Amino acid sequence: AQSVTQPDIHITVSEGASLELRCNYSYGATPYLFWYVQSPGQGLQLLLKYFSGDTLVQGIKGFEAEFKRSQSSFNLRKPSVHWSDAAEYFCAVVSPSGNTPLVFGKGTRLSVIA
Amino acid sequence: EPEVTQTPSHQVTQMGQEVILRCVPISNHLYFYWYRQILGQKVEFLVSFYNNEISEKSEIFDDQFSVERPDGSNFTLKIRSTKLEDSAMYFCASCQGINQPQHFGDGTRLSIL
Repeated sequence: AQSVTQPDIHITVSEGASLELRCNYSYGATPYLFWYVQSPGQGLQLLLKYFSGDTLVQGIKGFEAEFKRSQSSFNLRKPSVHWSDAAEYFCAVVSPSGNTPLVFGKGTRLSVIA
Repeated sequence: EPEVTQTPSHQVTQMGQEVILRCVPISNHLYFYWYRQILGQKVEFLVSFYNNEISEKSEIFDDQFSVERPDGSNFTLKIRSTKLEDSAMYFCASCQGINQPQHFGDGTRLSIL
């Protein structure tokens, strides 16, 4: 069965520091990959997606993610974190073969300190 | 930018009561979903809906749950007889088609007393 692993439950970084959130997936074939962000009390906002092509994808708010097939990973990065980036981040996958539901990781909570 | 809207933002209901959660998907989207997130846990799939019928549902989506698209704009989730463990954040999502990303609403927080 497909699954998504986000090994870090909670990460704290200083404002201005770089960030990398890890995501690994287990899937029969290369799925479509997504990162969503959830601010407190808010819904899920799509940060970026990977379907095919260039393995480094750019998203909103200065985020990027790199797909590495050999490692079954899709890690999210940002070179300089802002205090407003504090939120919960979810990696998700979906089968490229049809209309199937998203499978989410458990999320990584990001705290930003001054 | 068009959004998925959900109402109410917070619903408090007595155990055993029926509750209806409402969603207005993005207007040109064809696929609709409900997910839920129990506090502190991951987002879980409930049901998907396409062409006026359920296309897939999870084990969570038992006989107490139903979905409906009563008109051209609303997409509702009904829980017939709520239980304490139904307390969660419920998210509606929609997408334009296969191979398109799902767009989520802000969710309805359901609290069962």
